[in-house]
Amino acid sequence: GAVVSQHPSWVICKSGTSVKIECRSLDFQATTMFWYRQFPKQSLMLMATSNEGSKATYEQGVEKDKFLINHASLTLSTLTVTSAHPEDSSFYICSAATSLAQYFGPGTRLTVT
Amino acid sequence: DQQVKQNSPSLSVQEGRISILNCDYTNSMFDYFLWYKKYPAEGPTFLISISSIKDKNEDGRFTVFLNKSAKHLSLHIVPSQPGDSAVYFCAASDTGTASKLTFGTGTRLQVTL
Repeated sequence: GAVVSQHPSWVICKSGTSVKIECRSLDFQATTMFWYRQFPKQSLMLMATSNEGSKATYEQGVEKDKFLINHASLTLSTLTVTSAHPEDSSFYICSAATSLAQYFGPGTRLTVT
Repeated sequence: DQQVKQNSPSLSVQEGRISILNCDYTNSMFDYFLWYKKYPAEGPTFLISISSIKDKNEDGRFTVFLNKSAKHLSLHIVPSQPGDSAVYFCAASDTGTASKLTFGTGTRLQVTL
């Protein structure tokens, strides 16, 4: 149980385009979903926290207009990287949380050319 | 400002011996601490957690020790196995294990035959 999926697992896009990443909790309902980013050989950094039906809370330094988060249901959150640039290339990981624990997805590798 | 630090970027241990991974934190509001194992291009896998009311938690081969006065925790793996080779992250939260996490910088563990 407690499986979290992400789609796509990897994506390559051109600079200036937008990319949507989906995070789904497959066998449980998540009260909260978190989005993290990991640059090569660095730590996972929290980008934002989202609760179903409400606006996401962004960490300091994360542009909310660039990283759009939609949490439409208790099993699905999406992260859209708008007008992507090469510096947005990173590994994006979501986690889905119940009241007791959180479970991480497998991550999405984004490469912006 | 790195609130959670893992000062050893890498560690090599012989199979069967003990692996000790260390983690220091600066934020005294952190009350929950977790250890994750991570492979490249995959999401973190939860190993073990501890809350600040305890100083030790054990689960099979994994034991986490917490020294709150020193703001230090460690993960002991005994006996180490080749399959334990991965990057290990400690993480901390001020509100709970299902809340937003602050990750350390990671330690790459290599278990040799």
